[in-house]
Amino acid sequence: DAGVTQSPTHLIKTRGQHVTLRCSPISGHKSVSWYQQVLGQGPQFIFQYYEKEERGRGNFPDRFSARQFPNYSSELNVNALLLGDSALYLCASSNHRGANTIYFGEGSWLTVV
Amino acid sequence: QQQVKQSPQSLIVQKGGIPIINCAYENTAFDYFPWYQQFPGKGPALLIAIRPDVSEKKEGRFTISFNKSAKQFSLHIMDSQPGDSATYFCAASSYGGSQGNLIFGKGTKLSVKP
Repeated sequence: DAGVTQSPTHLIKTRGQHVTLRCSPISGHKSVSWYQQVLGQGPQFIFQYYEKEERGRGNFPDRFSARQFPNYSSELNVNALLLGDSALYLCASSNHRGANTIYFGEGSWLTVV
Repeated sequence: QQQVKQSPQSLIVQKGGIPIINCAYENTAFDYFPWYQQFPGKGPALLIAIRPDVSEKKEGRFTISFNKSAKQFSLHIMDSQPGDSATYFCAASSYGGSQGNLIFGKGTKLSVKP
């Protein structure tokens, strides 16, 4: 079975631009979460979606938004990119609403120049 | 405010040694404590997890020790191998809570020398 898949794997954007990152969860998983991992740090929680509804939001500005589609895939959108948004963006899926047994994808590397 | 403190930041051991990574948490509502292993350029992979109703859990060469009163937990890697060289993250969450998010430590970079 396929794991959590994310696209694109790498991308470079200019300050002020917008970016959309995509994620497909493990088959059968209804919960998708997004995390930001800055180099040398642990992942930080951005959003969780369960059954297509937002169930949690971390301490990130309104420039960050996300949604989950009927097939449980998800998009993370970031507007007005800043240099500090450069990071690895991780998608994680789970078959529970809670945080147990969460599986991560390989991530999307975003570089803002 | 960092809710999960992880130490050491980096660790070097010889092959066959037993590296120990420690984490401490503050929020007594946390009731699920996983460890993740991350290789360069890859996403974190779930290694082992524990709930506070047990003091120890073993899976293969990996053991979690949990001290609820001290609000501390640690990862031991038995008979460590060069292939175990990676960054290890502890995390915590409130399983019974309405949000399914993990709070991660800052990570420990482990290097196992041949």
